Amino acid sequence: SQTIHQWPATLVQPVGSPLSLECTVEGTSNPNLYWYRQAAGRGLQLLFYSVGIGQISSEVPQNLSASRPQDRQFILSSKKLLLSDSGFYLCAWSVGRTHGENTIYFGEGSWLTVV
Amino acid sequence: DQQVKQNSPSLSVQEGRISILNCDYTNSMFDYFLWYKKYPAEGPTFLISISSIKDKNEDGRFTVFLNKSAKHLSLHIVPSQPGDSAVYFCAASGGTSYGKLTFGQGTILTVHP
Repeated sequence: SQTIHQWPATLVQPVGSPLSLECTVEGTSNPNLYWYRQAAGRGLQLLFYSVGIGQISSEVPQNLSASRPQDRQFILSSKKLLLSDSGFYLCAWSVGRTHGENTIYFGEGSWLTVV
Repeated sequence: DQQVKQNSPSLSVQEGRISILNCDYTNSMFDYFLWYKKYPAEGPTFLISISSIKDKNEDGRFTVFLNKSAKHLSLHIVPSQPGDSAVYFCAASGGTSYGKLTFGQGTILTVHP
């Protein structure tokens, strides 16, 4: 069966410091990978998605970047964090297809507090 | 532009009764709809989905209804249990969207014993 794991689960970072959140998926090949964010009291916002190694699409302009160095690894980064980057970050995967019925499965989430 | 809307921020229901969560969408290209359940500080868990070629899908206590003409879907939970208390998100996708989902804002369901 497929599993998704992201880490760290919780982190507190000072403004201006770098960020790296990692996510790996097991039990599937060539998945679509996603980074979502849930800000306090708000819904889920898609930040990045990837359909293959090195292929990253950004959904909203922001202070963050994503990379996919391996088929089942997805990394969310920032060079200098802002207070507004605080939130709950979720990595997710789906079967690698471009259309049709495609269910997304989420990781456990990472709480980021920028102080 | 909020393409998927859950207009009720919260819903309170007695144990054993029916919970009805509602969701509206505006994009006529959406053809696949999902419901997720989320506990605090956890990732959302997939509950149930429905394709636009159907108007109803049932899985145990959970039933999703789709009204394409009204661009409306609903999730029915019968009977409701205290463990169902969580935030429920509806989501939609369509066309060549690479599986990307557009989410509603979520509805907090509280089931009282």
